[in-house]
Amino acid sequence: AQKITQTQPGMFVQEKEAVTLDCTYDTSDPSYGLFWYKQPSSGEMIFLIYQGSYDQQNATEGRYSLNFQKARKSANLVISASQLGDSAMYFCAMREVGGYQKVTFGIGTKLQVIP
Amino acid sequence: NAGVTQTPKFRILKIGQSMTLQCAQDMNHNYMYWYRQDPGMGLKLIYYSVGAGITDKGEVPNGYNVSRSTTEDFPLRLELAAPSQTSVYFCASRTLRGNTEAFFGQGTRLTVV
Repeated sequence: AQKITQTQPGMFVQEKEAVTLDCTYDTSDPSYGLFWYKQPSSGEMIFLIYQGSYDQQNATEGRYSLNFQKARKSANLVISASQLGDSAMYFCAMREVGGYQKVTFGIGTKLQVIP
Repeated sequence: NAGVTQTPKFRILKIGQSMTLQCAQDMNHNYMYWYRQDPGMGLKLIYYSVGAGITDKGEVPNGYNVSRSTTEDFPLRLELAAPSQTSVYFCASRTLRGNTEAFFGQGTRLTVV
């Protein structure tokens, strides 16, 4: 069974600083995908970044990068140059590549950016 | 571009009532999912579908039913609503090909009193 662990219930970061949100995962599947989603206070789920288990390089999308350490089964999200609009809940998720491709979510980390 | 559309956005039900949460996508996606999000928690999978006519249970299917008669629509039925079903419900869809992200609807906030 898949499992996603996010151990930081809440994080604070100063505006313009970088912040790392932790995510560890557990799976027996050799092939899987890892995702990060942002959920602002308005409630919608916004896709941020994706990393495949066989990708050689860490994924980057603008100010977002994913620090993927396969041996440690970690997929931390790094947000550079934090902005006030980054204040939100952040969810790590994993999808099995085979079968029905179910997605498992972590419980989230609430990030607050301080001016 | 409509994407994934959920209706209604808000609903209050009395215990024992039934209702259907609607979800429609216009992206011709094969995969569709229903999640619930309880306060302060992540998303838990209720049901999912890999195509028209094919559905399967997720982590928390009890008290819910789904159907997928068309590619576009994936309604979630609540029978005999209970206070434990008070939650925010999200529908999502994704394409079959490649490693792509899921697109989410705006959510339905359901309260059972």
